[in-house]
Amino acid sequence: DSGVTQTPKHLITATGQRVTLRCSPRSGDLSVYWYQQSLDQGLQFLIQYYNGEERAKGNILERFSAQQFPDLHSELNLSSLELGDSALYFCASSVSSGGRYEQYFGPGTRLTVT
Amino acid sequence: AQSVTQLDSHVSVSEGTPVLLRCNYSSSYSPSLFWYVQHPNKGLQLLLKYTSAATLVKGINGFEAEFKKSETSFHLTKPSAHMSDAAEYFCVVRTESGGGADGLTFGKGTHLIIQP
Repeated sequence: DSGVTQTPKHLITATGQRVTLRCSPRSGDLSVYWYQQSLDQGLQFLIQYYNGEERAKGNILERFSAQQFPDLHSELNLSSLELGDSALYFCASSVSSGGRYEQYFGPGTRLTVT
Repeated sequence: AQSVTQLDSHVSVSEGTPVLLRCNYSSSYSPSLFWYVQHPNKGLQLLLKYTSAATLVKGINGFEAEFKKSETSFHLTKPSAHMSDAAEYFCVVRTESGGGADGLTFGKGTHLIIQP
């Protein structure tokens, strides 16, 4: 158990809908990262937050957005969902940003868009 | 830009024999490199990391990796495979783009199969 929690574990929704994925980082970790794992794209970095502020963007679509709240939990919002958004979404956290800190991954949220 | 290439999509070995998972990296400066493992229907677990200290890095479950700058390689090895090692393995480089931004760039993964 990494100490990173993600909810829900599974999510099934229809095209065009909007969903919110939630992540609670390990106690004391200030940096949160979101990743998408799909069969065709593999594991891709989406976005990073550090202590409430956006720090870096990866291959995140404009239909997707995220935020990190004062209690450091983070939410990833996916809107106007398409079939191709079906994937496993991971959250990771680390003590700080930059440097040599390893990232600890949560168990993931499996999103199925029908 | 940093990237990693995992040279084998599948590797099959017999239980009790050595494991070698190959990874080459591309980076304009000394990279931070990691190996993660993903068991079926599970999250990602860090096996080991290289951060410019010792070039031979020991990780969990008997795995180790050697950083070779001249060959731009970071291959993962284990002397004796166990059935529980069957999983997907990812070679990863930290993508540092300044200002503390540091997402990870993953290789495409190597599926390790252990034959009884």
